[in-house]
Order: sequence, then structure tokens, then C-alpha cells
Amino acid sequence: DTGVSQDPRHKITKRGQNVTFRCDPISEHNRLYWYRQTLGQGPEFLTYFQNEAQLEKSRLLSDRFSAERPKGSFSTLEIQRTEQGDSAMYLCASSRGYEQYFGPGTRLTVT
Amino acid sequence: QKEVEQDPGPLSVPEGAIVSLNCTYSNSAFQYFMWYRQYSRKGPELLMYTYSSGNKEDGRFTAQVDKSSKYISLFIRDSQPSDSATYLCAMRRSGGYQKVTFGIGTKLQVIP
Repeated sequence: DTGVSQDPRHKITKRGQNVTFRCDPISEHNRLYWYRQTLGQGPEFLTYFQNEAQLEKSRLLSDRFSAERPKGSFSTLEIQRTEQGDSAMYLCASSRGYEQYFGPGTRLTVT
Repeated sequence: QKEVEQDPGPLSVPEGAIVSLNCTYSNSAFQYFMWYRQYSRKGPELLMYTYSSGNKEDGRFTAQVDKSSKYISLFIRDSQPSDSATYLCAMRRSGGYQKVTFGIGTKLQVIP
């Protein structure tokens, strides 16, 4: 059990650019979640996968956001045409039961 | 009004004190209640998980849920400087929904 890993840990991009983040869940965890956390706030749910199926999506996940989990293992979160308001920590979590194990997050800064 | 309300603090206590953290919520559909600890620049770590009303104890930590009042608490006994972190309450509905709704987090500092 190596834990949930996320890459990159920190991304700085210019407004209007596209960015993609990767999450590798704990092996054998069939559930994977994405959250966004801004400074001084709790994590906000974005989306949830069970295996490769995306089963829940938050209204926070605008058309510029897309998440995939093509083979039911790792997942990617892409943000197109980034805006300054997208600056946040993007957290990934995985689970097999009720306990969600979080990764260290990817901190996005949009300049 | 937010679904989950939590005082952001900060809360400063001396080492050895009993710490009381709490949250209120408005959605009566919440059935699962959790407390997470988050150190600076790290992901949240699950501390306690309870279903419906009642108490649960794990070492120095006790979680209480009062669904009639829509109020949950976390108590930390014999607090240590290593407990200094942000504590997030979280909850979700039953029925297969996986979305977890978090509070804003309470920043705790335990002073040696």
C-alpha cells in the first residue's frame, strides 16, 4: 500500500492555458473521487468514479472540466481555458469501502 | 446557508487540555458523519467515522452525533502539540451516494 499519489504536486499556468492532473489510487480501490479545496475552505466534491464509470458530478464541474478513468485505475482531471478562479488545491481520494484515502493534492496557481 | 457549518477558529489550548470541536448541519438526509484531520499542505486523513446517532471512541478521540439537533462533536482528550492541525467535519447521505460534504475546518493549536 503506497497510498494515493498525485502528479504534479504544484502547477503554475497562465490564464487560458489547459492543464491536466493525474491521480493514481491505492491499488484494488475501485472508487475514486476528485475534490477542490481553496484556502480556508473545506474540500468541495467534484466527481466520483466507480471503476471506469463516472457516477456523480457536482455542478461545480463546469464544461471546462473533464475527468476520466479509462481503465478503472488512474484518473486524469483536465481544466481547459483556465481562469484565475480555478486556483486551488485539487485533491484525489480513493476507497474500497467507506473510508476515503486522500492524496497530497495538486496545487494549481493560475496567473 | 451552507449545508454544514463549522467555526473556523483558530482554537488555542494548552497541552493536556480536552478539546471540543463541533459542527451543525441542515440536511436531514445525512446519515454518515466523519471527522478528518488535515496538516498544512497535506491531504485530509480520516479520524472517526460514525453512522447515524450515537458515540464512538477511539483512543483519545470521541465522536458524538445528535441527529435530532443536527449537531456533531469531536472530543480530543489529553491534547498533544502533534494534534495541532485543521479538523474537518464531513457527512454524506445514504442510498449509495458517495458525495461527501465538508465543513470549513477548525484550526487547532495545542501549545506545549
